[in-house]
Amino acid sequence: SAVISQKPSRDICQRGTSLTIQCQVDSQVTMMFWYRQQPGQSLTLIATANQGSEATYESGFVIDKFPISRPNLTFSTLTVSNMSPEDSSIYLCSVRQGTLGETQYFGPGTRLLVL
Amino acid sequence: KQEVTQIPAALSVPEGENLVLNCSFTDSAIYNLQWFRQDPGKGLTSLLLIQSSQREQTSGRLNASLDKSSGRSTLYIAASQPGDSATYLCAVRKNTGTASKLTFGTGTRLQVTL
Repeated sequence: SAVISQKPSRDICQRGTSLTIQCQVDSQVTMMFWYRQQPGQSLTLIATANQGSEATYESGFVIDKFPISRPNLTFSTLTVSNMSPEDSSIYLCSVRQGTLGETQYFGPGTRLLVL
Repeated sequence: KQEVTQIPAALSVPEGENLVLNCSFTDSAIYNLQWFRQDPGKGLTSLLLIQSSQREQTSGRLNASLDKSSGRSTLYIAASQPGDSATYLCAVRKNTGTASKLTFGTGTRLQVTL
């Protein structure tokens, strides 16, 4: 199974600032996924990050607000830009692995509080 | 649009009890279903994965079943322990393509008391 690490594990930020979250995987993966989990809610997919191409964003999420980088097959970053208190969430990085790429694994999450 | 529902939303049981968590989905055309556990403020840990062609999967005290035609899955936890306390999420995946996504349920928050 994939081992995924995220930095930072948590942060408290002021409104209007930006935070970049890093995700590192212990093996090469084609696709990486970024999710958001708002307080008391289930997970919502933000975007899918492919190495060497632009990320694909889900409805309701835009690149200007959540720019993503994917410089290689083991690393990705998600930036939360111009933050507001509504951005307070857990942000999770995820990858898919397996013979048919069928099992999905998640990182430990980044807990963000925006004041 | 796929919708995934988990019942109950919360459950409290005494240590040692066997329990069942339920997951239902509206579109039975799924590729697989995955159960996760999430500790408070943490990421997700994959527990079991069931392919659409399978009926059940077992790992230790956990057993997950799938009835695709009726759009249901159950997670059975035997001899529950306080360490099992967490939120349990099920998620379904529609197909095997690279663009396929997981649709998550609402979760069941489990507390196992001494």
